[in-house]
Amino acid sequence: GENVEQHPSTLSVQEGDSAVIKCTYSDSASNYFPWYKQELGKGPQLIIDIRSNVGEKKDQRIAVTLNKTAKHFSLHITETQPEDSAVYFCAASIDSSNTGKLIFGQGTTLQVKP
Amino acid sequence: GAVVSQHPSWVICKSGTSVKIECRSLDFQATTMFWYRQFPKQSLMLMATSNEGSKATYEQGVEKDKFLINHASLTLSTLTVTSAHPEDSSFYICSARDTGTVGSYGYTFGSGTRLTVV
Repeated sequence: GENVEQHPSTLSVQEGDSAVIKCTYSDSASNYFPWYKQELGKGPQLIIDIRSNVGEKKDQRIAVTLNKTAKHFSLHITETQPEDSAVYFCAASIDSSNTGKLIFGQGTTLQVKP
Repeated sequence: GAVVSQHPSWVICKSGTSVKIECRSLDFQATTMFWYRQFPKQSLMLMATSNEGSKATYEQGVEKDKFLINHASLTLSTLTVTSAHPEDSSFYICSARDTGTVGSYGYTFGSGTRLTVV
């Protein structure tokens, strides 16, 4: 089955700096790659996603890149702010008309220092 | 946007009792529901997948007789932890998809349920 590896496990940056989180996946059939932000005691919130027919997607300060050949994708957060501090998870799934179960990476705890 | 309401948000129960967690899709049809378990400082681990009207498919290592999943309608799925023990204490999260609508790909997550077994 699918396996998703995420690095780093913790990341500390100064406010205003950029943060990059990287993930690799094992199943070449995976075609949907979302990123989630999870705050303590809450469910994950989708922040951006990308499909395998696209190499890059951007939404204001957040961007995601995908390299299908290498089977890795990355989250880029620019101009970080203290409220960006949270746990971030990458995930992968085979998006089809069937269930398309979502497999998560291990998570990255991002700390943005004021 | 799509919303999944999960209840209760937290529950404390005695060892040996059963606890039911509900997830409702409020504005879409949850044709597929996923149940995850998350231990402190760890990732979300998929427990099972269920399609409306069908039996759930459990991931390897998850006891189907202990974690009963019912997905009898397009808007409601329940997870019942039977004969709960302290090691079942965890954060349980549901996620729903509308796989029956063309172009609808998103996974909508509930807010999670903190289960503490004493």
